[in-house]
Amino acid sequence: GAGVSQSPRYKVAKRGQDVALRCDPISGHVSLFWYQQALGQGPEFLTYFQNEAQLDKSGLPSDRFFAERPEGSVSTLKIQRTQQEDSAVYLCASSSRTGSNYGYTFGSGTRLTVV
Amino acid sequence: GQNIDQPTEMTATEGAIVQINCTYQTSGFNGLFWYQQHAGEAPTFLSYNVLDGLEEKGRFSSFLSRSKGYSYLLLKELQMKDSASYLCAAETGANNLFFGTGTRLTVIP
Repeated sequence: GAGVSQSPRYKVAKRGQDVALRCDPISGHVSLFWYQQALGQGPEFLTYFQNEAQLDKSGLPSDRFFAERPEGSVSTLKIQRTQQEDSAVYLCASSSRTGSNYGYTFGSGTRLTVV
Repeated sequence: GQNIDQPTEMTATEGAIVQINCTYQTSGFNGLFWYQQHAGEAPTFLSYNVLDGLEEKGRFSSFLSRSKGYSYLLLKELQMKDSASYLCAAETGANNLFFGTGTRLTVIP
């Protein structure tokens, strides 16, 4: 597609629910990143894929967070047993240059609210 | 540890020039990014500096001093649509973008 597409745009979850957030990157982009952005803060790195390989997951805040990209294109970020502190905007970005963020395109994000 | 400092908020007048400063301390450094983010929207790429010096791109310019761990974004001929958050981000050696908290710029008539 023309840009990075994320769905849903908004998600309200009850505390304890599991959620799945989807990212559809620009076709052919090798690198894919997930970021978490709390209100009034800058994005914080969660995890990085190169094709289907998850090369870095050091930013995932707990083992409740899990990300996958099984075919090297669409990626899903799953949060199990959501808690209120998980409320944030989750941004996905893709790039055509491996090993670099130059030329990154961000999606509009999924705003998750845990009540 | 890693740290990026930039002012939280700035206000400037339409038609004026504004400079947004950013200082960084990171473990590993490849380059420095600036992004613009309007409320509720995706960050959009503005500039990427690898070498020391000034990079000019239309009304926007960005400067980097690697030895000082310092960068700035210069916006000229401000327009109302420039009201947004400006994010400074350091690319560390581990394919990470480490972001600052952002500077919220308000352009007034």
